[in-house]
Amino acid sequence: EVQLVESGGSLVQPGGSLKLSCVASGFTFSNYWMDWVRQTPGKSLEWIGEIHTDVSETNYAPSMKDRFTISRDNDKNTLYLEMNNVRSDDTAIYYCTRTAVYYGVLLRGVMDAWGQGASVTVSS
Amino acid sequence: DVQMTQSPYNLAASPGESVSINCKASKSISKYLAWYQQKPGKANKLLIYDGSTLQSGIPSRFSGSRSGTDFTLTIRSLEPEDFGLYYCQQHNEYPYTFGAGTKLELK
Repeated sequence: EVQLVESGGSLVQPGGSLKLSCVASGFTFSNYWMDWVRQTPGKSLEWIGEIHTDVSETNYAPSMKDRFTISRDNDKNTLYLEMNNVRSDDTAIYYCTRTAVYYGVLLRGVMDAWGQGASVTVSS
Repeated sequence: DVQMTQSPYNLAASPGESVSINCKASKSISKYLAWYQQKPGKANKLLIYDGSTLQSGIPSRFSGSRSGTDFTLTIRSLEPEDFGLYYCQQHNEYPYTFGAGTKLELK
């Protein structure tokens, strides 16, 4: 069974930093691109960015690029999201997702597995 | 960014009924639209991608269609487990963007 389990969510002060983790199981992690998506309170979903299988390439939403960094450790089956200089509007549930592959064809932007999310609250 | 306008915001229906949820892209995204279901306490579920391709394991009562930049998710013969939130998302270009969501409630 494919599982994605996020951790590291907490209360953080404005201007602070936080690093979320997502441990993957039930599939060969190193073969899949991975994404982070967030959901702000009472609002919709927002794509943060993606990382490719060999960690050499990442893509971000322009609004996230300067403060967020996505990385991965394929040996540990773990995806990371580092958040710096956080603001109150970063308060959200952060989801780890897997990019779908269909018969060896990468379906860019299609997220076929989601974690349950990690809660981040930015407040003083 | 591509804006995704989803409607209606709320939808009330009874089991056995059919419903449609709409999503309009602010520019051409070709066929590249996905639909997701969100339910409390469960991981979000991919239902459809490429506008009309049913994800493996999703019941055939779910279907997707496209007319230009207008997309529709149709659920035929609603089952009790279908009630929840539905989101559209374009996967044609960066940054990938989502609609505001539709809450499908029990009438």
